[in-house]
Amino acid sequence: DQQVKQNSPSLSVQEGRISILNCDYTNSMFDYFLWYKKYPAEGPTFLISISSIKDKNEDGRFTVFLNKSAKHLSLHIVPSQPGDSAVYFCAASKASGTYKYIFGTGTRLKVLA
Amino acid sequence: SQTIHQWPATLVQPVGSPLSLECTVEGTSNPNLYWYRQAAGRGLQLLFYSVGIGQISSEVPQNLSASRPQDRQFILSSKKLLLSDSGFYLCAWSRSAGGNEQFFGPGTRLTVL
Repeated sequence: DQQVKQNSPSLSVQEGRISILNCDYTNSMFDYFLWYKKYPAEGPTFLISISSIKDKNEDGRFTVFLNKSAKHLSLHIVPSQPGDSAVYFCAASKASGTYKYIFGTGTRLKVLA
Repeated sequence: SQTIHQWPATLVQPVGSPLSLECTVEGTSNPNLYWYRQAAGRGLQLLFYSVGIGQISSEVPQNLSASRPQDRQFILSSKKLLLSDSGFYLCAWSRSAGGNEQFFGPGTRLTVL
């Protein structure tokens, strides 16, 4: 049972354009969501998060949108840069004190110069 | 500042051999600790998490075990490796109270032959 789904395994975008990565979840108890970026042979690095009390959070070129009714979140990267090429994971959590997260399967983003 | 270390970085082991992967965290106290596995083409699967010394929660039945002998040390072990244990193993930590991000180590690439 995959509670967090990233249905697009890969995405290619031209440099300077917008990258939109999508994530769907099934558990309505999730109340905190994060995006991580991962380069090959490295650990994931935290990018941006959003609490369920918000529908948008912005940090520089990265914006995360949350649609609770659709159980959907998306990560927008504007403008996309070649260095953004990596695998992006979304993760979801229900606050239980352990901060345990369920990760999606990842989307490989390739930004073309 | 906090840092997380994992070793070894890569490991090639024969089927049936034992395994010990080590993770240590510096610069924080009483962290929550996590072991994940990323199999080829798959997302991040939570294997174990720990909220304190000697406290281990297992997420999936498997051929692996975890121990936390010290506050900032987390060890992943196996008595006899299987081919299916191959993958990229990631250790992560998060603050035990406040803050929700998990911070990942550099990972260990395990190949079982």
